[in-house]
Amino acid sequence: QSVLTQPPSVSEAPRQRVTISCSGSSSNIGNNAVNWYQQLPGKAPKLLIYYDDLLPSGVSDRFSGSKSGTSASLAISGLQSEDEADYYCAAWDDSLNGHVFGTGTKVTVL
Amino acid sequence: QVQLVQSGAEVKKPGASVKVSCKASGYTFTSYGISWVRQAPGQGLEWMGWISAYNGNTNYAQKLQGRVTMTTDTSTSTAYMELRSLRSDDTAVYYCARSTQLYRAFDYWGQGTLVTVSS
Repeated sequence: QSVLTQPPSVSEAPRQRVTISCSGSSSNIGNNAVNWYQQLPGKAPKLLIYYDDLLPSGVSDRFSGSKSGTSASLAISGLQSEDEADYYCAAWDDSLNGHVFGTGTKVTVL
Repeated sequence: QVQLVQSGAEVKKPGASVKVSCKASGYTFTSYGISWVRQAPGQGLEWMGWISAYNGNTNYAQKLQGRVTMTTDTSTSTAYMELRSLRSDDTAVYYCARSTQLYRAFDYWGQGTLVTVSS
């Protein structure tokens, strides 16, 4: 069972901006770093954002992350067809003593 | 370049065990840990546990305690995940992923190994 809640899907036209929310609690997002992963169809996940808002080398700056309290968000600007994928937030959970993932959000480019 | 290459697909009967390998290259194996993450068909990601390649310390998800064992072989830079007493709901793609420490992000992932549990 996923501890972090995300919207099941979001869709927007090319070149527009979408935002994906991730809601947690004080034992995970509220007290630990949030990471975001992109999973293209049939592929392994890829690290997109770490430590709430940092981009790994090679990741497009069209992606950005933010956090406030027990919620986090991923924004994708200048949406492109190649951004169609599932996106997952994740964080360490102090109560469960383990990593927890979000429910996942499917991004569709109209 | 960093690579994590996993073993091939497996088909197992309920009650059996499976052992998946993850061979690392392109970095100093003992400077990182390896987490295992699984994904049931059409479902989300589930963290299974973590092992330090430096000292072998492990941290397993509460749900899998007693059924999973993670090990490493530093001579071959390979991590292993063994899951016992398999059930049909263990059918999933199993991924290994690298992280600097237990709490940190997974910066590189293996290609995944499909484990099918069916009678």
